[in-house]
Amino acid sequence: SQQGEEDPQALSIQEGENATMNCSYKTSINNLQWYRQNSGRGLVHLILIRSNEREKHSGRLRVTLDTSKKSSSLLITASRAADTASYFCATSGSNTGKLIFGQGTTLQVKP
Amino acid sequence: NAGVMQNPRHLVRRRGQEARLRCSPMKGHSHVYWYRQLPEEGLKFMVYLQKENIIDESGMPKERFSAEFPKEGPSILRIQQVVRGDSAAYFCASSPGQGVTYEQYFGPGTRLTVT
Repeated sequence: SQQGEEDPQALSIQEGENATMNCSYKTSINNLQWYRQNSGRGLVHLILIRSNEREKHSGRLRVTLDTSKKSSSLLITASRAADTASYFCATSGSNTGKLIFGQGTTLQVKP
Repeated sequence: NAGVMQNPRHLVRRRGQEARLRCSPMKGHSHVYWYRQLPEEGLKFMVYLQKENIIDESGMPKERFSAEFPKEGPSILRIQQVVRGDSAAYFCASSPGQGVTYEQYFGPGTRLTVT
């Protein structure tokens, strides 16, 4: 079965609000990454957090990782309409670096 | 530095035809990964290649699908005798090295439609 499961599947918020997306996984990992995908486009890498890290920030993004619960969260603060996209978590556990993706969360930010 | 290039961006094939998808990695990258995204789903790993070598093909269907990454030129994902279930977006990603410390840079994808 899929390594990553994301929650919620869809999220709709108003501009300026914060958006939180969660990701759970099943096996041990080396790192966890978050990607954004605009409709019909490729993936844009947002942030990578290693298994020995608990929290990481990048601009308006904050990612946490709890390896004991095998879960991660992505927080987008002060959301903008341009943040409307699908967000995927991806884990890497093998030494080849192949990524295992979750199903994604579709975020809609209303202006 | 150009990003990962994929072509064609859109490909329409009739059932039974062959599909060839090309991926040119970023300059200096010798590691290529192929992923498939079915409608409304996340990406699924297919194959990992280095120049002239297939390293991990655990996600490739056993029949009709093949991949190569020659010494010169782009990586090719080849699907023979396509069926409607092959309709999907196919993404490649490249990285400068192998393993978990390297970020993967994704191309824009090739959207394959089988009619």
